[in-house]
Amino acid sequence: QKEVEQDPGPLSVPEGAIVSLNCTYSNSAFQYFMWYRQYSRKGPELLMYTYSSGNKEDGRFTAQVDKSSKYISLFIRDSQPSDSATYLCAMSRSGGYQKVTFGIGTKLQVIP
Amino acid sequence: DTGVSQNPRHKITKRGQNVTFRCDPISEHNRLYWYRQTLGQGPEFLTYFQNEAQLEKSRLLSDRFSAERPKGSFSTLEIQRTEQGDSAMYLCASSFGLAGEETQYFGPGTRLLVL
Repeated sequence: QKEVEQDPGPLSVPEGAIVSLNCTYSNSAFQYFMWYRQYSRKGPELLMYTYSSGNKEDGRFTAQVDKSSKYISLFIRDSQPSDSATYLCAMSRSGGYQKVTFGIGTKLQVIP
Repeated sequence: DTGVSQNPRHKITKRGQNVTFRCDPISEHNRLYWYRQTLGQGPEFLTYFQNEAQLEKSRLLSDRFSAERPKGSFSTLEIQRTEQGDSAMYLCASSFGLAGEETQYFGPGTRLLVL
């Protein structure tokens, strides 16, 4: 079993829709949770960074972490065609350097 | 451009050849990471440097792989006697800050194809 599970999609939504992306994980030592966006043939770009449980909002993006369920989510409001990319969840243990463990990525397509 | 840069962006080589990739981190970042990403997968951790010291190597990093970061600045990743299974995107990331509070910034990657 992988430490981080993520549905690879693809997920197609119409422009303006609310997008929900999710990951589950098995290692309770993970304390830091991230979402990266990766366009085709580019490096990952950090979108959201949260510590422990709770919600964090940044513009159209909201990240949620539920450590009791080992479940994290990213919501994208008013989705735009430019949001079409692969979204990678990622997490790391507390303390020390960040050896980040990534999910497989969910490919999102926002249709105009 | 003050982001992480990687060179070359693309490399095609024949099986058995040696290849070397370079990563130039953001200038004030003291931590540098290498990851490998195969098609349809998320990046996988390979190795980590704090300044010039290589502090951890993944079991994915076989004896054919070696990474250096002389003087704690740029880093190189060398693959000797390449195999077709080495074909992947090699990503470099750098970071700075208190442990556990850092943010990793990724470069554009070097895409390797071994024929």
